[in-house]
Amino acid sequence: EVQLQQSGPEVGRPGSSVKISCKASGYTFTDYVMNWVKQSPGQGLEWIGWIDPEYGSTDYAEKFKKKATLTADTSSSTAYIQLSSLTSEDTATYFCASQGGLYWGQGVMVTVSS
Amino acid sequence: DIQMTQSPSFLSASVGDRVTINCKASQNINRYLNWYQQKLGEAPKLLIYNANSLQTGIPSRFSGSGSGTDFTLTISSLQPEDVATYFCLQHNSWPWTFGGGTKLELK
Repeated sequence: EVQLQQSGPEVGRPGSSVKISCKASGYTFTDYVMNWVKQSPGQGLEWIGWIDPEYGSTDYAEKFKKKATLTADTSSSTAYIQLSSLTSEDTATYFCASQGGLYWGQGVMVTVSS
Repeated sequence: DIQMTQSPSFLSASVGDRVTINCKASQNINRYLNWYQQKLGEAPKLLIYNANSLQTGIPSRFSGSGSGTDFTLTISSLQPEDVATYFCLQHNSWPWTFGGGTKLELK
């Protein structure tokens, strides 16, 4: 059974960074890119970017190029997203998703608060 | 970027009604269109993938159709547990883009 298990909720101070994980199981981690998606409170969904775990190559949506950094650890089948220079606009739930959207993590709520 | 226009934004229907939700892509996305159901505080739940394939475990009252630019999600007989927000995702090309969502309520 394919599962994407994400880390727990995060609270970050304005200007700080947070790093969220997404541990994949039930398939070969390096066979599929991992996508990341943002859902702001009461809002729609935005694609942040993807990482190819095998090669470490990445692609980002323009608005997230200076905000998000995607990495992956093949030894633990875990993908990460780091969000930097946090502002209130980063308060949202962040999902990882793989295999053309077939599988999603449970989401991580990030709250930016002083 | 491919724009996904979803309609309606809100839908009120009665138990047993047939419900349809539409997504229109700004360009051809073949059949690379998924439909999801999302309840408050939960992750999106995949209902239909690649336009018309029913995800395992999803009731057969859900169905999807379409290809190219026009897609439809149909609930053949609305049940109380179907109250949720529904959205489409095109994964034909990056960036992935999503429909704006349809909030489905019981009348």
